[in-house]
Amino acid sequence: NAGVTQTPKFRVLKTGQSMTLLCAQDMNHEYMYWYRQDPGMGLRLIHYSVGEGTTAKGEVPDGYNVSRLKKQNFLLGLESAAPSQTSVYFCASSYILGADQETQYFGPGTRLLVL
Amino acid sequence: GENVEQHPSTLSVQEGDSAVIKCTYSDSASNYFPWYKQELGKGPQLIIDIRSNVGEKKDQRIAVTLNKTAKHFSLHITETQPEDSAVYFCAAPMNRDDKIIFGKGTRLHILP
Repeated sequence: NAGVTQTPKFRVLKTGQSMTLLCAQDMNHEYMYWYRQDPGMGLRLIHYSVGEGTTAKGEVPDGYNVSRLKKQNFLLGLESAAPSQTSVYFCASSYILGADQETQYFGPGTRLLVL
Repeated sequence: GENVEQHPSTLSVQEGDSAVIKCTYSDSASNYFPWYKQELGKGPQLIIDIRSNVGEKKDQRIAVTLNKTAKHFSLHITETQPEDSAVYFCAAPMNRDDKIIFGKGTRLHILP
């Protein structure tokens, strides 16, 4: 049981380049999330998904797209990277939120540097 | 708007002393309040949580208290140890949108 895994661990991009961050979970969780973490800003939600085939915007969605084609995977895409997207990106998953709030399990993070 | 405020942003305590971190939330419908610990270079990990039907929950040296009327909850760490040094985040769900909002974090330093 690997939990939540993220690839890659570290990436350097030039402004304007595109890339996809992959998140995978093996806990059969319904909900998945992408956060970015910047110094002094805590964890800010980019996009999230409440089930296979669904996505929704979080607090800071601009410049990012996501897809949840398979229940176990949640992809975060940057179509045209900007220096402001330099950050550490965390993926998380949970069973459900709502009536029965549940723990979020986080991946180890992807450090992205945009030059 | 939806908001979770966390204080202090940095906290230094002597080893063996207690540490308290406080959070306030805005959504009165929230009923689940987790605390996460993030060690250097790792993702956050849940350390304790509380649901709105109780006012306090303890797990060894850590405890969380909840005041729903005032819309605030606190993390208490007693007999602090060097391994408690980390960044701690509180969070609260925004029930309308199935998402969790995190506080900005508290960097806890345990001084020898």
